[in-house]
Amino acid sequence: KQEVTQIPAALSVPEGENLVLNCSFTDSAIYNLQWFRQDPGKGLTSLLLIQSSQREQTSGRLNASLDKSSGRSTLYIAASQPGDSATYLCAVSYTGNQFYFGTGTSLTVIP
Amino acid sequence: ETGVTQTPRHLVMGMTNKKSLKCEQHLGHNAMYWYKQSAKKPLELMFVYSLEERVENNSVPSRFSPECPNSSHLFLHLHTLQPEDSALYLCASSQVTGTEQYFGPGTRLTVT
Repeated sequence: KQEVTQIPAALSVPEGENLVLNCSFTDSAIYNLQWFRQDPGKGLTSLLLIQSSQREQTSGRLNASLDKSSGRSTLYIAASQPGDSATYLCAVSYTGNQFYFGTGTSLTVIP
Repeated sequence: ETGVTQTPRHLVMGMTNKKSLKCEQHLGHNAMYWYKQSAKKPLELMFVYSLEERVENNSVPSRFSPECPNSSHLFLHLHTLQPEDSALYLCASSQVTGTEQYFGPGTRLTVT
């Protein structure tokens, strides 16, 4: 069974700090990996998608990297803001039809 | 309406009821998905449709019955549910399977 692990489960940082969220997966033969954020009681918002052939993707203050050989992806958030407070989820796809999600990292940015 | 919409947003039903969840995407996508999100558990993919054909069914109990009448609409028909089926049900769409997914706000289902 494919497993996706996200560490830490919860993170609290002061505003302005740079931070890294981690995602690890058991099988390195991935199709793509997607990062999402989820606000309480809401659906998921797509942040970044990395194809298996890519090493990283950037959008604004966010940078996601992918290292297939080690089964890891990181989401780097620069200059964190209180509005970044949410749960961050990573999802790994192997065939394009199957997606495996981690349990998420709950981020709190303290003003 | 833009993006992916889901109705109703909240639903309370008894174990003997029959109800349906509706999802509509306004993005021109060809793939649609149903997910279940329970507390403290990872999102679970339930069904995948591509061009209105079901391509994935992850051992979901038969009391959940999906329907995709066209590429813009997806339904999840519910009957004789159990209390453990209480969860947030999320719909998503993508251009084709395996590409970036866009999610709706979800339906919070409570089975009493």
